[in-house]
Amino acid sequence: KQEVTQIPAALSVPEGENLVLNCSFTDSAIYNLQWFRQDPGKGLTSLLLIQSSQREQTSGRLNASLDKSSGRSTLYIAASQPGDSATYLCAVRVMVGATNKLIFGTGTLLAVQP
Amino acid sequence: EPEVTQTPSHQVTQMGQEVILRCVPISNHLYFYWYRQILGQKVEFLVSFYNNEISEKSEIFDDQFSVERPDGSNFTLKIRSTKLEDSAMYFCASSEVQETQYFGPGTRLLVL
Repeated sequence: KQEVTQIPAALSVPEGENLVLNCSFTDSAIYNLQWFRQDPGKGLTSLLLIQSSQREQTSGRLNASLDKSSGRSTLYIAASQPGDSATYLCAVRVMVGATNKLIFGTGTLLAVQP
Repeated sequence: EPEVTQTPSHQVTQMGQEVILRCVPISNHLYFYWYRQILGQKVEFLVSFYNNEISEKSEIFDDQFSVERPDGSNFTLKIRSTKLEDSAMYFCASSEVQETQYFGPGTRLLVL
């Protein structure tokens, strides 16, 4: 059974720092991995999607990497800003049958201090 | 930019009552999903829907739950007889083919 874990559970950094969020999954047979941002009481905003054949994806100050064989992904945020404060979730789409379901991690709560 | 919308944003109901949560997916998307997030817990998959039928459901999605696409735009989740433990944030999502899933803002359901 696929399990997705994120560390750290919470992170507080001063504005301007670069930071890395970690995501690990137990079964490497994934179709893709998606990073989301969730603001308090709000929905999920898709940040990046990495296909299983890819090693990384970049969007602005965000860079996500994927090492499928070791079951790991990282989300790198450059030059953090207070507006980056949110919960960051990773989710994997497993490669079992025709499933499209996403399996989510527990999230990392990020606070960027001005 | 197209987005998934959900109504209502909040719903309070009495235990045993029926609720219908509504979603309007992005117009050219073909795959539709419901997820839920109990307060403080992970986002959990409930059901996926394609070509007017359920393509997959989780063990959470028991006989009390049903989904429907009554017309060309709406996608609904019905809970027939709500329980206290159904209190959660319910998210609708849609995707074009089997790629990035786009999520709505959620409906916060509180069962008293």
